[in-house]
Amino acid sequence: AQRVTQPEKLLSVFKGAPVELKCNYSYSGSPELFWYVQYSRQRLQLLLRHISRESIKGFTADLNKGETSFHLKKPFAQEEDSAMYYCALKVASGSARQLTFGSGTQLTVLP
Amino acid sequence: DVKVTQSSRYLVKRTGEKVFLECVQDMDHENMFWYRQDPGLGLRLIYFSYDVKMKEKGDIPEGYSVSREKKERFSLILESASTNQTSMYLCASSSTRESTDTQYFGPGTRLTVL
Repeated sequence: AQRVTQPEKLLSVFKGAPVELKCNYSYSGSPELFWYVQYSRQRLQLLLRHISRESIKGFTADLNKGETSFHLKKPFAQEEDSAMYYCALKVASGSARQLTFGSGTQLTVLP
Repeated sequence: DVKVTQSSRYLVKRTGEKVFLECVQDMDHENMFWYRQDPGLGLRLIYFSYDVKMKEKGDIPEGYSVSREKKERFSLILESASTNQTSMYLCASSSTRESTDTQYFGPGTRLTVL
């Protein structure tokens, strides 16, 4: 069965420091991975997906199939990056495609 | 802009009550999902639906049922609420027409079962 692991429940960094949120997955199929973010009092929303190879709000994530990882990185953290981050794996199941989410990492960027 | 709405932001019910959580989306999405969100456990899929009157169990369907009579509306039903169903419930929708499979989430319903 598929699984997404985010080993850090809480992560604190100082403003301007680099940040890396870890995500590892296990899946027998071809993986498609996403990062979703939930800012305080806002709804959960897509941050980025690996197939786009895009940088959103300064964040990037590279899929490493050898290490089965999809870590989220930003070189210089900002206070507004403080949020809950979820890594998610797309799974084809039956007649629909669904997401399996990790347990989330609460990022706090300190001033 | 995709809009997913949930009928209540906060709900308090008593053990044994039947509870209905409603979700509506206005983007003609085929797929709709119900999750519960708990600290330390992340989002866990309860049920999803890929078409009207179609449903599939997610990872934790026990104690829940769903109904999708119209494309835009997906209801989550707790037949007999229990205290361990106290949680934040999130609804989401997505379109098969979008290759990205982005899920769009509602604001959530925080359910407390006393």
